[in-house]
Amino acid sequence: RKEVEQDPGPFNVPEGATVAFNCTYSNSASQSFFWYRQDCRKEPKLLMSVYSSGNEDGRFTAQLNRASQYISLLIRDSKLSDSATYLCVVNTAGGGADGLTFGKGTHLIIQP
Amino acid sequence: SAVISQKPSRDICQRGTSLTIQCQVDSQVTMMFWYRQQPGQSLTLIATANQGSEATYESGFVIDKFPISRPNLTFSTLTVSNMSPEDSSIYLCSVEDSQSYEQYFGPGTRLTVT
Repeated sequence: RKEVEQDPGPFNVPEGATVAFNCTYSNSASQSFFWYRQDCRKEPKLLMSVYSSGNEDGRFTAQLNRASQYISLLIRDSKLSDSATYLCVVNTAGGGADGLTFGKGTHLIIQP
Repeated sequence: SAVISQKPSRDICQRGTSLTIQCQVDSQVTMMFWYRQQPGQSLTLIATANQGSEATYESGFVIDKFPISRPNLTFSTLTVSNMSPEDSSIYLCSVEDSQSYEQYFGPGTRLTVT
């Protein structure tokens, strides 16, 4: 079983719609969780950390379910500029990249 | 977040040669890392660059192929040695916020080996 699994998509979504991604992780000792966004031919950029209580940043909501070992990202009122690849990242160690595992990403295309 | 720059941004190299990539951060950071992203793939950690000591390499990566320097808390280099076409990839450095464990990436170096 892969350590961090994501549906690769692509997700084709009309502008203004709500879209949700899920990500599952295999290591129950994982401690930190993140969503990154990567545009074509660019470096990954941190979108948001994912906290146990869930967190919201504008149109973006992230949730963590430790019991089921999955993380979700919800994007409301999607914009054309939201088109990108969204990477689910899990850190097993307390810190340091030795525990950092990347999913392969979910490709999102927002259509006008 | 820290501002990270990498040089060169891209290069085309012949097989058998070596390329050194530089990563500069605008503030002192403890944890600095090097990743590779092959076409259509996600990121794979190459090594942790340790200041004042040898880098810590992940499984499948060795110092002879990817020597790393970390002379101070703001700078690191990664060398891709004796390159082959399979080394064609994007190489990224990153730094970690010591409190949040969030990582921030440099713009990457796009390497093509012919």
